[in-house]
Amino acid sequence: QSALTQPASVSGSPGQSITISCTGTSSDVGTYNLVSWYQHLPGKAPKLMISEVSKRPSGVSNRFSGSKSGNTASLTISGLQAEDEADYYCCSYAGSSPVVFGGGTKLTVL
Amino acid sequence: QVQLQESGPGLVKPSETLSLTCTVSGDSISSYYWSWIRQPPGKALEWIGYIYHSGSTKYNPSLKSRVTISVDRSKNQFSFSLILSSVTAADTAVYYCAAYSSGLSFDIWGHGTMVTVSS
Repeated sequence: QSALTQPASVSGSPGQSITISCTGTSSDVGTYNLVSWYQHLPGKAPKLMISEVSKRPSGVSNRFSGSKSGNTASLTISGLQAEDEADYYCCSYAGSSPVVFGGGTKLTVL
Repeated sequence: QVQLQESGPGLVKPSETLSLTCTVSGDSISSYYWSWIRQPPGKALEWIGYIYHSGSTKYNPSLKSRVTISVDRSKNQFSFSLILSSVTAADTAVYYCAAYSSGLSFDIWGHGTMVTVSS
């Protein structure tokens, strides 16, 4: 069970859009539409931002969106705000080894 | 609304057993996947395992030989526990209990508890 691959860091200026990729394999991301994304602030519990590839839970800003193409899922944040600065993790169902997380991406708002 | 709270020792000696409990409050506690997730210092989240309300379990293959997750419905309160045996310094982490009802989307989290493995 290998971790999903995410860029270690991304950055953007306020108002811009950024995209964080999450690359897996045909055993996880590529086969199942069960990719979720979490925002993790220091000292806090992770917060669900996107479920099932592209569903946005109640209360999550519509600036956050998710998509998937092949073995790669993506999280896009539009209209970047200072409060978006956090670590972001993707997670996917992986069949017999059911749950795998990505390595995490640190988002810096310049 | 379901809420989760972790409890247990913050310090465990190498080769000993780590034991944590997650107390669940709120209604509608059935049909959830009750999970444990950890984050070693400076590292990524790592899924440990889950137990479904039916009692069936699934574990991370890399930890499977050392992990047991169980539920406790006694004391008029629902809780679930993590037991991790033969710990080493590599098991030092913040341990979160979390839950989801569908779609592998962990929408309920505890605040997390730091466990240090050290003599």
